[in-house]
Amino acid sequence: ILNVEQSPQSLHVQEGDSTNFTCSFPSSNFYALHWYRWETAKSPEALFVMTLNGDEKKKGRISATLNTKEGYSYLYIKGSQPEDSATYLCAFNTDKLIFGTGTRLQVFP
Amino acid sequence: EPEVTQTPSHQVTQMGQEVILRCVPISNHLYFYWYRQILGQKVEFLVSFYNNEISEKSEIFDDQFSVERPDGSNFTLKIRSTKLEDSAMYFCASSVRRAQPQHFGDGTRLSIL
Repeated sequence: ILNVEQSPQSLHVQEGDSTNFTCSFPSSNFYALHWYRWETAKSPEALFVMTLNGDEKKKGRISATLNTKEGYSYLYIKGSQPEDSATYLCAFNTDKLIFGTGTRLQVFP
Repeated sequence: EPEVTQTPSHQVTQMGQEVILRCVPISNHLYFYWYRQILGQKVEFLVSFYNNEISEKSEIFDDQFSVERPDGSNFTLKIRSTKLEDSAMYFCASSVRRAQPQHFGDGTRLSIL
């Protein structure tokens, strides 16, 4: 059974703090790793799709790295803002997405 | 920006009844998916659909479940005889290709009484 783990489960930070969280996934038969941002009562929003070992992707203040050999990806948020508050999901892509439990981020003003 | 739309947003049904959840994927997308999230648990894959047939399904997707793309735009999930444990948020998603971002709808909250 393929398992995707995310840590921490939740995170509370002050506005302006930088933060990061981890996604670990099976290192064999890697195809792609997705990151999603999910706000309450909305649909998950695609942030990144990462396919190559050593990949680093950036979207504004959010960036992600990928290590397929050891099976982990980090998501970084620089200078967190209250509007960054959401659950951040990673998903291991085979023919389907296998999701982690998510990291719930709350940014306090 | 094109969106995946799902209807209804909330469905309340008696146990044993049939439900049909509807989705309109993004028009140029070729891969279609259903996922669900039971309250407090992970988002789980149910089924993927490509080229008018199921390409993969999970253990959850038993004989009570079926999918259809009847008219080239709608993508439906039918649960033939609902059980209490089918209560969940059901999400439809579509993508252009495998390993491209999957675009999700807002979900249908299914409550079985």
